[in-house]
Amino acid sequence: SQKIEQNSEALNIQEGKTATLTCNYTNYSPAYLQWYRQDPGRGPVFLLLIRENEKEKRKERLKVTFDTTLKQSLFHITASQPADSATYLCALLPSGGSYIPTFGRGTSLIVHP
Amino acid sequence: DVKVTQSSRYLVKRTGEKVFLECVQDMDHENMFWYRQDPGLGLRLIYFSYDVKMKEKGDIPEGYSVSREKKERFSLILESASTNQTSMYLCATAGLGRKQETQYFGPGTRLLVL
Repeated sequence: SQKIEQNSEALNIQEGKTATLTCNYTNYSPAYLQWYRQDPGRGPVFLLLIRENEKEKRKERLKVTFDTTLKQSLFHITASQPADSATYLCALLPSGGSYIPTFGRGTSLIVHP
Repeated sequence: DVKVTQSSRYLVKRTGEKVFLECVQDMDHENMFWYRQDPGLGLRLIYFSYDVKMKEKGDIPEGYSVSREKKERFSLILESASTNQTSMYLCATAGLGRKQETQYFGPGTRLLVL
């Protein structure tokens, strides 16, 4: 069955460092991969989308890579700030016209001042 | 900016009660979704709708029904609430074509069933 894996353990880093979060998947051939940010008690907020034919996407301090051979996406936040502390979800969208995403369980990021 | 609102942020109900959760969006999006989110289980799709009066089951539809009488409004109904339906409920919307690639979420309703 399809499986999306994100680290269940929180990632703790120091302010100013680069945070790297991982999303691995199996038994899936996604056409798109998304990253969302979710703050406690709030709904997820869309951050970035990367397509299967793209290797890398950037938006300000955010960078996403997508390796369809390794079946992995990496999400980087450079020059991290305490305000970046949140849970980050990856979501995969299938090819074939169905835009129903499958979400990972998310990884909590804690940036210490 | 897309605005997705949900009728309540917090709700407490008793077992056996009928519960209505409402979601309203102002962006004329065709697609609307209901998820529940539980610790350790992530977001799970309950139902979605791609047009008025149309609905499709998601991964966990049992115990729920939905209604979409108007394009901007998508309701989730718990016919007879049970304690295992205590959860965070999230509504989301998406447009057509390439706009389907992004989902916009509401703030969520935290439901407690006693």
